[in-house]
Amino acid sequence: AQSVTQPDIHITVSEGASLELRCNYSYGATPYLFWYVQSPGQGLQLLLKYFSGDTLVQGIKGFEAEFKRSQSSFNLRKPSVHWSDAAEYFCAVGARAAGNKLTFGGGTRVLVKP
Amino acid sequence: EPEVTQTPSHQVTQMGQEVILRCVPISNHLYFYWYRQILGQKVEFLVSFYNNEISEKSEIFDDQFSVERPDGSNFTLKIRSTKLEDSAMYFCASSVDSGGAYTQYFGPGTRLTVL
Repeated sequence: AQSVTQPDIHITVSEGASLELRCNYSYGATPYLFWYVQSPGQGLQLLLKYFSGDTLVQGIKGFEAEFKRSQSSFNLRKPSVHWSDAAEYFCAVGARAAGNKLTFGGGTRVLVKP
Repeated sequence: EPEVTQTPSHQVTQMGQEVILRCVPISNHLYFYWYRQILGQKVEFLVSFYNNEISEKSEIFDDQFSVERPDGSNFTLKIRSTKLEDSAMYFCASSVDSGGAYTQYFGPGTRLTVL
């Protein structure tokens, strides 16, 4: 069975500082990996996804993530955080079979200090 | 940009009552999903739906739950007799096709409170 762990429940970062959110997954084969962001009152918005190929993927809003098979990780990074990045971030893994369901991590809430 | 919409944003109901949560998926999408998030817990898959039938469902999706696409635009989740533990945020999602390569686009959610 697939599973996702986000070890950090909360992270506080100063505006302009770098951000890294950790995600570890368990899956029997190469997974599809996603990062979603949820701002208050909003739905889950896709930031980026990894299917295959280049292990460093670029997303929207200046985010990137790196797939490391040896560590079963897919960490999300942003070099310089803006106040609008305050939100909850979810890592998810999808199966390659049809009828795909996503399995989510518990989420990391990011607070941005001025 | 097309988006998934959900109504209502917040629903309060009494235990034992039936509720219907509504979703309008993105218009050219063919696969539809419901997920839920109990406060403080992970987002959990409930069910996927394609071609007017359920493709996959989780253990959570028991006989109290049903899904329907009553017309060409709406996708609904019905809970027949709500329990206190059904209180959660319910997210609808849609994708243009199935399989992990196709991004699921999520709606803003409906917060269901069962009293």
